[in-house]
Amino acid sequence: GAVVSQHPSWVICKSGTSVKIECRSLDFQATTMFWYRQFPKQSLMLMATSNEGSKATYEQGVEKDKFLINHASLTLSTLTVTSAHPEDSSFYICSANDRTSDTYEQYFGPGTRLTVT
Amino acid sequence: AQSVAQPEDQVNVAEGNPLTVKCTYSVSGNPYLFWYVQYPNRGLQFLLKYITGDNLVKGSYGFEAEFNKSQTSFHLKKPSALVSDSALYFCAVRRGQAGTALIFGKGTTLSVSS
Repeated sequence: GAVVSQHPSWVICKSGTSVKIECRSLDFQATTMFWYRQFPKQSLMLMATSNEGSKATYEQGVEKDKFLINHASLTLSTLTVTSAHPEDSSFYICSANDRTSDTYEQYFGPGTRLTVT
Repeated sequence: AQSVAQPEDQVNVAEGNPLTVKCTYSVSGNPYLFWYVQYPNRGLQFLLKYITGDNLVKGSYGFEAEFNKSQTSFHLKKPSALVSDSALYFCAVRRGQAGTALIFGKGTTLSVSS
């Protein structure tokens, strides 16, 4: 089946630094990828929709200058958390659509645990 | 706007007993509904989906879900629970047309005791 990977799986950074998280579709092409954020024991909240070759669409309340998204190819999207603060600590999960699937099956990555100290 | 509700924060069941995890939905147009499971510190694993067709959808690991249009429900079921089924379960609805994001319920923690 289709596989989505994320790197790194976990990262600890100091307050004020930036962190980049990669999301890759390993065996399919994804014109659209999504970034979600999950706090402990809570639901996934959609942050943004990442479209290959164009600007990302951010959800209301998500700071686009803080959470930079780049979707440079059909298999890679990156999320950069800029000037991270402790409140940015969270579990970030990406998903990707298989453009060849009639139902646009969505596949999820394993997530990245970000801890900002 | 599309939404799903999971009325139970936690469901407790004994191993071997049937389990049900509830989900209701609110959509405009045809509903595209999904169930996912999440184990601690892991991503989401797909269980099943309803797009169209039979109201009873069979999925992975022995799970099934019943789509009920009149009650706007999509409850997840399994005839005989396993301890290893203990996890966090999410119901989700597709936001719009094919290729759009999923909107998730708050999640239900399933605890299966031996």
